[in-house]
Amino acid sequence: GIQVEQSPPDLILQEGANSTLRCNFSDSVNNLQWFHQNPWGQLINLFYIPSGTKQNGRLSATTVATERYSLLYISSSQTTDSGVYFCAVASSGNTPLVFGKGTRLSVIA
Amino acid sequence: KAGVTQTPRYLIKTRGQQVTLSCSPISGHRSVSWYQQTPGQGLQFLFEYFSETQRNKGNFPGRFSGRQFSNSRSEMNVSTLELGDSALYLCASSSGTAGANVLTFGAGSRLTVL
Repeated sequence: GIQVEQSPPDLILQEGANSTLRCNFSDSVNNLQWFHQNPWGQLINLFYIPSGTKQNGRLSATTVATERYSLLYISSSQTTDSGVYFCAVASSGNTPLVFGKGTRLSVIA
Repeated sequence: KAGVTQTPRYLIKTRGQQVTLSCSPISGHRSVSWYQQTPGQGLQFLFEYFSETQRNKGNFPGRFSGRQFSNSRSEMNVSTLELGDSALYLCASSSGTAGANVLTFGAGSRLTVL
């Protein structure tokens, strides 16, 4: 099945710093989503982005499908950005999303 | 629009017991997916139901089962609980349409098996 690798596994930032999270996948995809899991376990959908670029406030994402990677950018990080960021992909049709192991982000004041 | 509702939020069981978890999807969503999250294995797909039919199934033993009702609400059941079944069980709903299958997750049911 499709493989998903996320990097870095852990990231510590000072409040106000910018960061880039990466997601590599092993096959072509028709579905790619980024999620944020807060300390209480709630998974929040950030972007649905199988290709192209999207922005939502301080967050933006880019997927280069032909090169099989996606990037999540967080600018001017805040302590509330802390948590685990997951990339999830599906390769075709209605196949289920496969999750990467996540990037654990800690933003310190 | 109400979100995805999972019940119960927390539960404690002992080995050998069975458990049933419930998930009410977003109104109008016909697909419900279940995932198991553990520190060692991460997020693993259990199964997906679409219009009362199991459309996809992950690699879990037969002790794990599920169903979906005509109102799209879904339940999953784990029989003969083992210590390793302790996990956060997450349910997600979506329209189920290929190419636009955006998942919205519930808050999860945290199961502890003693």
